[in-house]
Amino acid sequence: NAGVTQTPKFQVLKTGQSMTLQCAQDMNHNSMYWYRQDPGMGLRLIYYSASEGTTDKGEVPNGYNVSRLNKREFSLRLESAAPSQTSVYFCASSERTGTRYSNQPQHFGDGTRLSIL
Amino acid sequence: AQTVTQSQPEMSVQEAETVTLSCTYDTSENNYYLFWYKQPPSRQMILVIRQEAYKQQNATENRFSVNFQKAAKSFSLKISDSQLGDTAMYFCAFMRYNNNDMRFGAGTRLTVKP
Repeated sequence: NAGVTQTPKFQVLKTGQSMTLQCAQDMNHNSMYWYRQDPGMGLRLIYYSASEGTTDKGEVPNGYNVSRLNKREFSLRLESAAPSQTSVYFCASSERTGTRYSNQPQHFGDGTRLSIL
Repeated sequence: AQTVTQSQPEMSVQEAETVTLSCTYDTSENNYYLFWYKQPPSRQMILVIRQEAYKQQNATENRFSVNFQKAAKSFSLKISDSQLGDTAMYFCAFMRYNNNDMRFGAGTRLTVKP
C-alpha cells in the first residue's frame, strides 16, 4: 500500500534555483495538502486543494506555487528558492474534510528534506 | 486565527506507565475537530486519535484516550501502558468545521524509557 508518495526525499538547492516537489496518492482522495515543518514548530499549511481543479492558500503561501495536475497528483513549486525555505515538506491527502459527517483524517507522505544554500 | 499550544516541549515516561500530554487551543468557533498525530524518528506523520467538538464523549483508541474539555479549550492525550514504540514527537492539531486549514501545535517530544 503506497498511500502518499513524495519525490524526491532529499534535495539541496542554491539560492535562486527553481524546484518542483512531486506528490501522488493512490487512495482516490479528493483533498490534498502541502505543509512545511521547521525545527521547534508544528506543520504549517502552505497550500491545499479541496478537490481536483481547485487550489487555495494556507497559512504560509508566499514563495510557492502549486498545481493539482489530476486527482492523484499535487505538486509544489519554488520558483526562486531562498534560504528561508529550507525545511521539511510534507504532502498529505484526505477523502473529504470539513463537513460534520464526512470528515476524514489526513494521510501523510514521508516528507522531503530541502536545503537551500 | 486559531492557535494551538503545547506547553510541554519534552516529556519522558517509564515503560508500562501512563503519561498525559497537554494541548490547549484558541478559537471562537463552536464546531471543529481536534487531532493528535505521532511523528516517530522515521518522520512519518501518523494519526493517533481524533475528536469532534460536538461530541461530549471522549475519544478512545486502545491505549490512547483524550480528555476533551470544550469550555476550557483543552485537549490532552493520555497514553496508558507506555511502550518503547511510543517514543516520538506528538502534535496536537485543530481544524475548523468546513475548512481544510489544519493548525498544529509545536509538538511534545516523548521518550519512553525501558
